Amino acid sequence: IAGITQAPTSQILAAGRRMTLRCTQDMRHNAMYWYRQDLGLGLRLIHYSNTAGTTGKGEVPDGYSVSRANTDDFPLTLASAVPSQTSVYFCASSEEGSTDTQYFGPGTRLTVL
Amino acid sequence: GQNIDQPTEMTATEGAIVQINCTYQTSGFNGLFWYQQHAGEAPTFLSYNVLDGLEEKGRFSSFLSRSKGYSYLLLKELQMKDSASYLCAVSQRGNAGKSTFGDGTTLTVKP
Repeated sequence: IAGITQAPTSQILAAGRRMTLRCTQDMRHNAMYWYRQDLGLGLRLIHYSNTAGTTGKGEVPDGYSVSRANTDDFPLTLASAVPSQTSVYFCASSEEGSTDTQYFGPGTRLTVL
Repeated sequence: GQNIDQPTEMTATEGAIVQINCTYQTSGFNGLFWYQQHAGEAPTFLSYNVLDGLEEKGRFSSFLSRSKGYSYLLLKELQMKDSASYLCAVSQRGNAGKSTFGDGTTLTVKP
């Protein structure tokens, strides 16, 4: 069982380019989340999904979009990357929602130049 | 909104005990998580407190006081591998599955 995987591991991207970060889980969890973590700071929620077909905005959603076509996949798209989006991005999942333990993917380190 | 505070950094000696505090202000509080995050790695679950009191899991214990908006993580018999960041996160009732994280406490264990 892989748990939760993310791709790519790291990426350097030119400003203005479009980029999709991939996240897949095989635990059949209903809820999934995208966070960004900047140096020395905690995790800030970008978008979340409580179940397939639904998504919601987190604390810092601007410049990002998500989709949840099925239970397993939750891609995060940067439509036009900007340098302030340089960060480490973590995807997470939980069985249901906020009262359940979240399991995190290994992260994607994104640099926007 | 929510306000979660924890110390930025702490240092302790191998074999000692350290207490990492977390205070929070939130409406509709449901529970509090502690996660451990080693440098360059993903956070991993340590504990979840819903009721007041102390919960012990081996060398790690977590305490919650709902009335005071206060929690702590207690690490005993510190080992070098305990050097990591410790994140507290608050979940709210009816908050559509969202937890809010503090900025984390970086613990350095010295020989």
